[in-house]
Amino acid sequence: DAKTTQPTSMDCAEGRAANLPCNHSTISGNEYVYWYRQIHSQGPQYIIHGLKNNETNEMASLIITEDRKSSTLILPHATLRDTAVYYCIVKQGAQKLVFGQGTRLTINP
Amino acid sequence: GAGVSQSPRYKVAKRGQDVALRCDPISGHVSLFWYQQALGQGPEFLTYFQNEAQLDKSGLPSDRFFAERPEGSVSTLKIQRTQQEDSAVYLCASSRFTDPETQYFGPGTRLLVL
Repeated sequence: DAKTTQPTSMDCAEGRAANLPCNHSTISGNEYVYWYRQIHSQGPQYIIHGLKNNETNEMASLIITEDRKSSTLILPHATLRDTAVYYCIVKQGAQKLVFGQGTRLTINP
Repeated sequence: GAGVSQSPRYKVAKRGQDVALRCDPISGHVSLFWYQQALGQGPEFLTYFQNEAQLDKSGLPSDRFFAERPEGSVSTLKIQRTQQEDSAVYLCASSRFTDPETQYFGPGTRLLVL
């Protein structure tokens, strides 16, 4: 599975959009981009995934560049409850998730 | 419906003791995964079941770790002769056959080996 690079930490003001970048320059054509988050003392939570088209659901939007070498997770109106570690994962198929260090996102009041 | 549940939520063991950690996946979920998460790190894969078949156990760190899912639902992760480096949060996740990409995680079992 391709490796990903994310910033270690980010801050965002409550009510603003949080944009979390992820680089995955070695992604192969059949690998998907997944985002999970982990709120303190909880298990990881699925957010969204995509292959090459931009995706949106009730939690977030996922923007994937045309060359698929990077992506951005967008939380449109961040709340304090969005404070968590966000993991960007690329993988093929329905097998194991390979987590990196993730981005620690802090939403400030 | 109910999510993935794990028990116990916290376990303190003396070095050398055996422990058993239980995972109840979401009803009807075919796939079940175990992960280990050390303090300050991301979760790391341990093993994967599809129904009762253990299809991948490449992440188990040693032969002291053993997992089973005999009837294709509840799973148990057993650690024999625990050591201090086994201290971690053990996470269980399940996914359904029609949506295998989405894994649903339980709250984890926090194991502390003294």
